Amino acid sequence: DAKTTQPPSMDCAEGRAANLPCNHSTISGNEYVYWYRQIHSQGPQYIIHGLKNNETNEMASLIITEDRKSSTLILPHATLRDTAVYYCIVRVAGGSTLGRLYFGRGTQLTVWP
Amino acid sequence: NAGVTQTPKFRVLKTGQSMTLLCAQDMNHEYMYWYRQDPGMGLRLIHYSVGEGTTAKGEVPDGYNVSRLKKQNFLLGLESAAPSQTSVYFCASRGLAANTGELFFGEGSRLTVL
Repeated sequence: DAKTTQPPSMDCAEGRAANLPCNHSTISGNEYVYWYRQIHSQGPQYIIHGLKNNETNEMASLIITEDRKSSTLILPHATLRDTAVYYCIVRVAGGSTLGRLYFGRGTQLTVWP
Repeated sequence: NAGVTQTPKFRVLKTGQSMTLLCAQDMNHEYMYWYRQDPGMGLRLIHYSVGEGTTAKGEVPDGYNVSRLKKQNFLLGLESAAPSQTSVYFCASRGLAANTGELFFGEGSRLTVL
């Protein structure tokens, strides 16, 4: 699996966009980029995933560079409840091994009032 | 719809004792997983199951056993607990859809081994 590199921490003002970067320079052509987050003491929560194209859902947007070596998760209007550790994961989609996600240490996002 | 439920949520054991963590999901998911998370670390996969009656080893399987006798339940057992197994344990499940990456996680079970 391609490994990912994320900054250990970031902060953001409430109401502003939070842009969380992730580098995955060794990503393979059939590997997707997934984002999860973990609010303190809770189980991780799926946010979004993508292959090549940018993706958007009700929680966030995912921007993947054309060479696919990096991506950015965007929370358009961060709230205090978005304070969490955000994990960027690269993995082949589907199959039983999808659960073998390498979570790493992620980025601690702190949203301040 | 409860999703993924883990029991117990907290447990304190003495070294050498045994215990079982239960994970139950009501989403008819095929795949189930057990992870552990240690302070400042990400999640590490212990064991997983691709269906009823099947199990497989993950990254850190030593000291643990699992069983999937019913599709909705995935049990994680510690036969002889050690202090190194003090951790927070998370169970997750996933359906068969090919492209979705969505794992559904339980709230965690905090285990302390003295």
